[in-house]
Amino acid sequence: QSALTQPPSVSGSPGQSVTISCTGTSSDVGSYNRVSWYQQPPGTAPKLMIYEVSNRPSGVPDRFSGSKSGNTASLTISGLQAEDEADYYCSLYTSSSTPFVFGTGTKVTVL
Amino acid sequence: EVQLVESGGGLVQPGGSLRLSCAASGFTFSSYSMNWVRQAPGKGLEWVSYISSSSSTIYYADSVKGRFTISRDNAKNSLYLQMNSLRDEDTAVYYCARELKNDYGDYVFAFDIWGQGTMVTVSS
Repeated sequence: QSALTQPPSVSGSPGQSVTISCTGTSSDVGSYNRVSWYQQPPGTAPKLMIYEVSNRPSGVPDRFSGSKSGNTASLTISGLQAEDEADYYCSLYTSSSTPFVFGTGTKVTVL
Repeated sequence: EVQLVESGGGLVQPGGSLRLSCAASGFTFSSYSMNWVRQAPGKGLEWVSYISSSSSTIYYADSVKGRFTISRDNAKNSLYLQMNSLRDEDTAVYYCARELKNDYGDYVFAFDIWGQGTMVTVSS
């Protein structure tokens, strides 16, 4: 299963909104709602931010939201803050013998 | 505190073997599916392997199939990854990760708890 496609980088000023896309195919992202998103600041372990396309675990600010349309899932960060600067990865679960796949990763820079 | 702590990483020559461990605490380890995820230096995340709570179901990424073996000991609250025939491209930080359950006890196929990672370097 090939990695899902994300833009290498996105940037925004504090207070702005940024959106990260995660593109697959009709056989993966288009067929499953088991999309999750992870935040990884440099030198740290990933942190779960969104699961099942749009659900936030407890403790994750509501500035983070997820959605999906067709073969593309998206993570939006509203009211961008300096501490949001990190790498972000999408992930998908499918009913295959290699059930999990990650996206290529996106570096978010706060200008 | 819910916690996962990996150990066992190090420097190994190509073709060698290494066994990683992941010690779980603060939750009922035997009730959760577990995974290994790795990250090569400067690269993205790569899912490696999955094991169900009872060890009845196991999956591997194609890149490690036939060389790596995942296992667990629920009595010891521990997860393992036996890595054989190691290659240069296996060099990475290896994380163990727990699968999230919702309020109804159903898996939602996301990883909510991660360890700090253990570095594996394959080099001659």
